[in-house]
Amino acid sequence: KAGVTQTPRYLIKTRGQQVTLSCSPISGHRSVSWYQQTPGQGLQFLFEYFSETQRNKGNFPGRFSGRQFSNSRSEMNVSTLELGDSALYLCASSFKLAGAYNEQFFGPGTRLTVL
Amino acid sequence: GENVEQHPSTLSVQEGDSAVIKCTYSDSASNYFPWYKQELGKRPQLIIDIRSNVGEKKDQRIAVTLNKTAKHFSLHITETQPEDSAVYFCAARETGANNLFFGTGTRLTVIP
Repeated sequence: KAGVTQTPRYLIKTRGQQVTLSCSPISGHRSVSWYQQTPGQGLQFLFEYFSETQRNKGNFPGRFSGRQFSNSRSEMNVSTLELGDSALYLCASSFKLAGAYNEQFFGPGTRLTVL
Repeated sequence: GENVEQHPSTLSVQEGDSAVIKCTYSDSASNYFPWYKQELGKRPQLIIDIRSNVGEKKDQRIAVTLNKTAKHFSLHITETQPEDSAVYFCAARETGANNLFFGTGTRLTVIP
């Protein structure tokens, strides 16, 4: 079974631009969560999508948004990029929305650099 | 929300020795505690997890213990090998939710 995939793997943008990142979950997984990883703040939860609906949201500004398609693929968008948005963006997929045996598996991440 | 603290931030051990990483959590509603290993430039990989109805779980050289009363859990790696060198993250998840709250990570270096 193929793992979680993310595209692109690397991205360089300038301040003020917007960016869209893509995540394809493991086949059969319906939940996709997004995390931001930075040296200073560590791994922080952005949001989670399940059945094309945002189910949970972390403490990030509205510039960060996402969506999920009917095939469970998810995209996240960051508008009006700031230098502080430079980070590794990881998505994680799991089979269902919640439950005791619902492990999350991470993709390789997209490294975003904002200049 | 949940707050997870992790110690130490760096840990160096001689090959063959044991390594222990400790985490505490704040929300008594948390019931799932995974550990991830992240090698340089790679994705976090789930290495072991424990649920709140279990006090200890072991998988070969790796074990995790959970003390619900004290709200802390620990990762134990025995007979460490150079390939164990990586950053290890603990995490906690609240009942009914799917998102993980992560500790700040421990950089483990195993010296050959």
